[in-house]
Amino acid sequence: QKEVEQDPGPLSVPEGAIVSLNCTYSNSAFQYFMWYRQYSRKGPELLMYTYSSGNKEDGRFTAQVDKSSKYISLFIRDSQPSDSATYLCAMTWGGGFKTIFGAGTRLFVKA
Amino acid sequence: NAGVTQTPKFRILKIGQSMTLQCAQDMNHNYMYWYRQDPGMGLKLIYYSVGAGITDKGEVPNGYNVSRSTTEDFPLRLELAAPSQTSVYFCASSPHLIAGVGEQFFGPGTRLTVL
Repeated sequence: QKEVEQDPGPLSVPEGAIVSLNCTYSNSAFQYFMWYRQYSRKGPELLMYTYSSGNKEDGRFTAQVDKSSKYISLFIRDSQPSDSATYLCAMTWGGGFKTIFGAGTRLFVKA
Repeated sequence: NAGVTQTPKFRILKIGQSMTLQCAQDMNHNYMYWYRQDPGMGLKLIYYSVGAGITDKGEVPNGYNVSRSTTEDFPLRLELAAPSQTSVYFCASSPHLIAGVGEQFFGPGTRLTVL
């Protein structure tokens, strides 16, 4: 079993739709949860991060962490064609340098 | 600031050849990392460094070596290239430990093919 599972997609939605991206994980020691966005042929860039359980909102993006279910989500409201990218979830625990990345979900937002 | 830069952008190697992937950052970050990204597999940590002169292995270090003589530069050396090393390589830097606040800043990547 992989430490982090993420559906690779692709996920195709019309412009303006609400997008839900998800990851599950197996290691209950993870405490820090991140979402990176990666445009084609570019390096990943940090979109959001949260510590422990709860929600965090930043503009059109909301990150949710449910540690009891070992499940994290990223919601994108009013999706735009410029949101078309691969979204990588990532997580780590305190004291180490090892970040575990999901395989990434490819998202296409159609105009 | 240029951020994190990587050279070359693309490279084709023959089996058994060696090469060095260059990485430089101008943000004065202490922490630097090398990852490889394979299709459907996510990013895997190869090596990391917490400062000049200090490096350590990540998840998949076999077949690679690193050095960190300055804060700015963190080259990755491939000795005796093998087809299994065909991948996209990303260098990243961070002003803080990954665990905790702060983010990793990634370079644009080097696409390496070993034939």
